[in-house]
Amino acid sequence: DQQVKQNSPSLSVQEGRISILNCDYTNSMFDYFLWYKKYPAEGPTFLISISSIKDKNEDGRFTVFLNKSAKHLSLHIVPSQPGDSAVYFCAASLVSGTYKYIFGTGTRLKVLA
Amino acid sequence: GAVVSQHPSRVICKSGTSVKIECRSLDFQATTMFWYRQFPKKSLMLMATSNEGSKATYEQGVEKDKFLINHASLTLSTLTVTSAHPEDSSFYICSAREDRGQYFGPGTRLTVT
Repeated sequence: DQQVKQNSPSLSVQEGRISILNCDYTNSMFDYFLWYKKYPAEGPTFLISISSIKDKNEDGRFTVFLNKSAKHLSLHIVPSQPGDSAVYFCAASLVSGTYKYIFGTGTRLKVLA
Repeated sequence: GAVVSQHPSRVICKSGTSVKIECRSLDFQATTMFWYRQFPKKSLMLMATSNEGSKATYEQGVEKDKFLINHASLTLSTLTVTSAHPEDSSFYICSAREDRGQYFGPGTRLTVT
């Protein structure tokens, strides 16, 4: 049972445009959400996170939006750059304090020059 | 930022042998470390949570006798895949937690022939 889902396995975006990556979750107990970027044969790199008490968090070109009623979060990258091409994973923390992360299946973003 | 290393980065072993993977937090002490497994084009699956000085907590479906975890110090956790079989071939990633967040290692590619 996949509790965190990324329904788009891949996404192609033109350089300079906005990239929107989506993530849905099923467990309303999740209270902390994160986005990681991953290159092949490397470990994930933290990008941005959001607590369930917020609906938006922004860091430079990256913005994460959380819609708790829809159990949906999204990552916006603007403007997109070729170096952003990677696999993006969303993750959810099940219960505060345990720090266990449940990962989505990933979305491969390709930014075209 | 916090750095987590894994060794080896890549290992090939014969079926029936055991393989040890090390995970080290290089510039911080990690009371909790996590081990993940990633199948091709799949999500990162949490295998176990490792706390220093205590037994690891395994996720449902993960055989603790097959995947031995030892968290000997605040900077080192090891995962030993015992009696490896070809189906154990995978990308294994550890992460280490400190107050500021959870940091991932670069991963270890295990191939069992």
